[in-house]
Amino acid sequence: LAKTTQPISMDSYEGQEVNITCSHNNIATNDYITWYQQFPSQGPRFIIQGYKTKVTNEVASLFIPADRKSSTLSLPRVSLSDTAVYYCLVGALSGGFKTIFGAGTRLFVKA
Amino acid sequence: DGGITQSPKYLFRKEGQNVTLSCEQNLNHDAMYWYRQDPGQGLRLIYYSQIVNDFQKGDIAEGYSVSREKKESFPLTVTSAQKNPTAFYLCASYDRFDGMNTEAFFGQGTRLTVV
Repeated sequence: LAKTTQPISMDSYEGQEVNITCSHNNIATNDYITWYQQFPSQGPRFIIQGYKTKVTNEVASLFIPADRKSSTLSLPRVSLSDTAVYYCLVGALSGGFKTIFGAGTRLFVKA
Repeated sequence: DGGITQSPKYLFRKEGQNVTLSCEQNLNHDAMYWYRQDPGQGLRLIYYSQIVNDFQKGDIAEGYSVSREKKESFPLTVTSAQKNPTAFYLCASYDRFDGMNTEAFFGQGTRLTVV
């Protein structure tokens, strides 16, 4: 199973771009990379998923280098409501679908 | 309106009691998972099921049991063997593409407290 490593916490100010990097050195060929957002006392919510290069949707971008050993979630122009925990997951197809969440990154957005 | 529903939202358990947390989904997903979250921590996998009548232990299965008799339902029982059950419990179902779990849909969670 691919283990992921993320920073424990990050601070930012409103209007800034935030980049959260996740390391996954043991990623398997068939694994996808998925990011979730979680607010207190709620279940995580899907943000974005990718396999290689760059993926963009209405809320974020995901950058994946050619070796796929890391990925970066980019949040453009954050607001106070983006304060949350962000989880990076790597698909565990080889492990029998044992989808595991790590500790996540706590993002604090200040005014 | 498709989604995943957990009940109850809050649950209180006395010492030595078994309690069952409900999780129902109408998304037609094969895969359903139970996670536990302690304050300030990430999610830890308790049990997961990829198909009806089949389930596997996660990383912290001791003191818990599950059943998967219907595709829509994946109840979790917290038994008296679980010594520290106070936590936030999250159920998820996973969409699947090309044999791979893709997007997870989570319920609103059940906060269990031992009194």
